[in-house]
Amino acid sequence: SQQGEEDPQALSIQEGENATMNCSYKTSINNLQWYRQNSGRGLVHLILIRSNEREKHSGRLRVTLDTSKKSSSLLITASRAADTASYFCATDDPLTTGFQKLVFGTGTRLLVSP
Amino acid sequence: DAGVIQSPRHEVTEMGQEVTLRCKPISGHDYLFWYRQTMMRGLELLIYFNNNVPIDDSGMPEDRFSAKMPNASFSTLKIQPSEPRDSAVYFCASSPRTGPGQPQHFGDGTRLSIL
Repeated sequence: SQQGEEDPQALSIQEGENATMNCSYKTSINNLQWYRQNSGRGLVHLILIRSNEREKHSGRLRVTLDTSKKSSSLLITASRAADTASYFCATDDPLTTGFQKLVFGTGTRLLVSP
Repeated sequence: DAGVIQSPRHEVTEMGQEVTLRCKPISGHDYLFWYRQTMMRGLELLIYFNNNVPIDDSGMPEDRFSAKMPNASFSTLKIQPSEPRDSAVYFCASSPRTGPGQPQHFGDGTRLSIL
């Protein structure tokens, strides 16, 4: 299975601190996406990074991608209580299942305390 | 704009009963996905459609599961007969046609409990 594995499984920090989550995957990819899931809700797309990109920013989010290590990281800076959620990476597999089919990682549960 | 709409939000039923989950994708989106989320197995893709045609149903666990998309604005996932191990949160997602790497837009899911 290409399912990504994320670590840590759970992360607890204080407001204002930075949160870093890591994702590892197994096969070549075209894109890697990060999603957030609030409790009881569906997943929400955060950011996409293409295989030829190494770093991408969006607001307080910073994503890096290292295709040689088959890994990505998501950094949330100056975290807020509202960032409390689960975060998932998702990869495609252009060689087998095409661009549209995504495989989601196991997720990191982030708790940001006031 | 309305997002992906799923119904019901919660369903509790007894083992052996037929369960039908419904999804309305975002207008103009050509792809529709059905996922199942459990603590043990995470988020699993069950089936996806392109322009109402099933493309990949390799994730459908058993013949008890079936999915249809009779038109661009409606899809159903049916379980018959249901079993306790089918208890999970079922998500529907849609994405537009254009190019690879399109984000998927998720509904808020149906929490299914089979007693």
